[in-house]
Amino acid sequence: KNEVEQSPQNLTAQEGEFITINCSYSVGISALHWLQQHPGGGIVSLFMLSSGKKKHGRLIATINIQEKHSSLHITASHPRDSAVYICAVSRGTDKLIFGTGTRLQVFP
Amino acid sequence: NAGVMQNPRHLVRRRGQEARLRCSPMKGHSHVYWYRQLPEEGLKFMVYLQKENIIDESGMPKERFSAEFPKEGPSILRIQQVVRGDSAAYFCASSPVDRSTGNTIYFGEGSWLTVV
Repeated sequence: KNEVEQSPQNLTAQEGEFITINCSYSVGISALHWLQQHPGGGIVSLFMLSSGKKKHGRLIATINIQEKHSSLHITASHPRDSAVYICAVSRGTDKLIFGTGTRLQVFP
Repeated sequence: NAGVMQNPRHLVRRRGQEARLRCSPMKGHSHVYWYRQLPEEGLKFMVYLQKENIIDESGMPKERFSAEFPKEGPSILRIQQVVRGDSAAYFCASSPVDRSTGNTIYFGEGSWLTVV
């Protein structure tokens, strides 16, 4: 069993829909990261969380430390949001343990 | 994100050749991490370096792979005698010494190695 599990693996949506991607982890962590990767592209850090909730534009990330669970929400989704979203955890240093990613496609 | 510079972006090597991937961290960052993303697989940690020190190399294959981060110049990931299975995207990330401000980690654009 992976230390970091994401669901769903693949997600399709119509433009404007509200999207949720989930991440569960089984180890103690110092922080949880949400990353975005476009096909053939680099990796962009969206959020780093150690507690509570963060918001940036149409993106919202939440974490429940007791339940070892985090969610990434995208409001009013747009085709440019199509990408792979990766959950990762760190334990003291920035050595990251990654989930397998969620491939999101948003259609106009 | 643009502050972490990796080169080359794309590299083609024949089996048995050497591959050298370079990473210049963001200004002021002295911690460098290398990650590998095999085709259709997730990212995996390879090595964590500080200037002139390897802190954690638990993710490095035991043979043919080495990494360094000299006092001056970029961090280098070196793969000797490459094989087809080394074909992957190699990402570098950097972070500052002081994490108390909650700074996030910054990734480079990646180096795509193809072994033919």
